[in-house]
Amino acid sequence: EAQVTQNPRYLITVTGKKLTVTCSQNMNHEYMSWYRQDPGLGLRQIYYSMNVEVTDKGDVPEGYKVSRKEKRNFPLILESPSPNQTSLYFCASSSPTGGRYTFGSGTRLTVV
Amino acid sequence: GIQVEQSPPDLILQEGANSTLRCNFSDSVNNLQWFHQNPWGQLINLFYIPSGTKQNGRLSATTVATERYSLLYISSSQTTDSGVYFCAVERGGTYKYIFGTGTRLKVLA
Repeated sequence: EAQVTQNPRYLITVTGKKLTVTCSQNMNHEYMSWYRQDPGLGLRQIYYSMNVEVTDKGDVPEGYKVSRKEKRNFPLILESPSPNQTSLYFCASSSPTGGRYTFGSGTRLTVV
Repeated sequence: GIQVEQSPPDLILQEGANSTLRCNFSDSVNNLQWFHQNPWGQLINLFYIPSGTKQNGRLSATTVATERYSLLYISSSQTTDSGVYFCAVERGGTYKYIFGTGTRLKVLA
């Protein structure tokens, strides 16, 4: 089944403790992206990648890092999480770039 | 930057009713998509529709790019149609999709 898989689905962590949210797709898509969704603010893009080793900032990249070492994987890294990063996070992929999105199931992150 | 406005913000329907959701955008776009976020939070792609009209079962969508709007039609609504509907637009060469704030739909049995 064609899908985007995010892990974990739910995560509660403490301020400052590094964490990684994984994202993997099995559709050989070139383009992958991370979004966060907050009440009243909608979905905002954090980072995107147009292919292996090609990444760029979205609208809200502060406090996040990404890497794209393999085509299928696009992990989101929070080096020092803070409470304002509590949010619902989605990974998406598409082919070609700018094409039809497939979203992962989301990761609900709480930073205390 | 480009502004994306959706209307109405909230909509309550009786099962079986039809509805039209609108997405206006403030500048020319290369790509446009419609999504449904179900009550469990999952985002499902409904249409990739930069222009023209598409249909998928009870749903159809029309984008008039020259007039900067898109419409999503839901016919014979069902309770499973409840959730939030988002449109998202991408300006050519930016590789960034901007999402509207959504239309929250509730379909009553």
